[in-house]
Amino acid sequence: AQSVTQLGSHVSVSEGALVLLRCNYSSSVPPYLFWYVQYPNQGLQLLLKYTTGATLVKGINGFEAEFKKSETSFHLTKPSAHMSDAAEYFCDVSGTASKLTFGTGTRLQVTL
Amino acid sequence: DTGVSQDPRHKITKRGQNVTFRCDPISEHNRLYWYRQTLGQGPEFLTYFQNEAQLEKSRLLSDRFSAERPKGSFSTLEIQRTEQGDSAMYLCASSPFLGQGNTEAFFGQGTRLTVV
Repeated sequence: AQSVTQLGSHVSVSEGALVLLRCNYSSSVPPYLFWYVQYPNQGLQLLLKYTTGATLVKGINGFEAEFKKSETSFHLTKPSAHMSDAAEYFCDVSGTASKLTFGTGTRLQVTL
Repeated sequence: DTGVSQDPRHKITKRGQNVTFRCDPISEHNRLYWYRQTLGQGPEFLTYFQNEAQLEKSRLLSDRFSAERPKGSFSTLEIQRTEQGDSAMYLCASSPFLGQGNTEAFFGQGTRLTVV
């Protein structure tokens, strides 16, 4: 079975500041990890994913995440926040043949 | 192909009525998922199909909910005798499961259900 925990339901950063959204996972099998973004009244859009190989993965819009097996973490970062980054972010884990399991989400607010 | 399509985008219904939603996945995707999302929450898994086979159904899904994917293409989600607690965004997603590991899911815009 798989599960994720997203620490912090709301994160507020200033424009230009570092964005750090935390995700810890639990999985009985090697995990496949994803970050999705959701804008208001929209479906979810993939930001980036980790399946195998390089543990630092780069995604769209300047986001990246690092898979740390020892810490069971997959935190999402962006060096410099932009106003357009304001949205809901979901961490997601799945095993090799299972459904996708989402965290509760982190709402990112970007202020001037 | 323009992605996952859901119809309708919005549905307002009276309590006790039946509603049916449709999802058209990306054509070559063999997996199709239904999720429900309420305000401030992450998507909750409802059910998923691989081709026409319904592989898993959440315990969240009461007997009033049924989903089908008769030809392994589009899917329908029906809610019978709707209740106010059914008000939510219903999300459909599809993915190309290749037998060796999960890939990302592609989501539709969702159907927002309001039960009055």
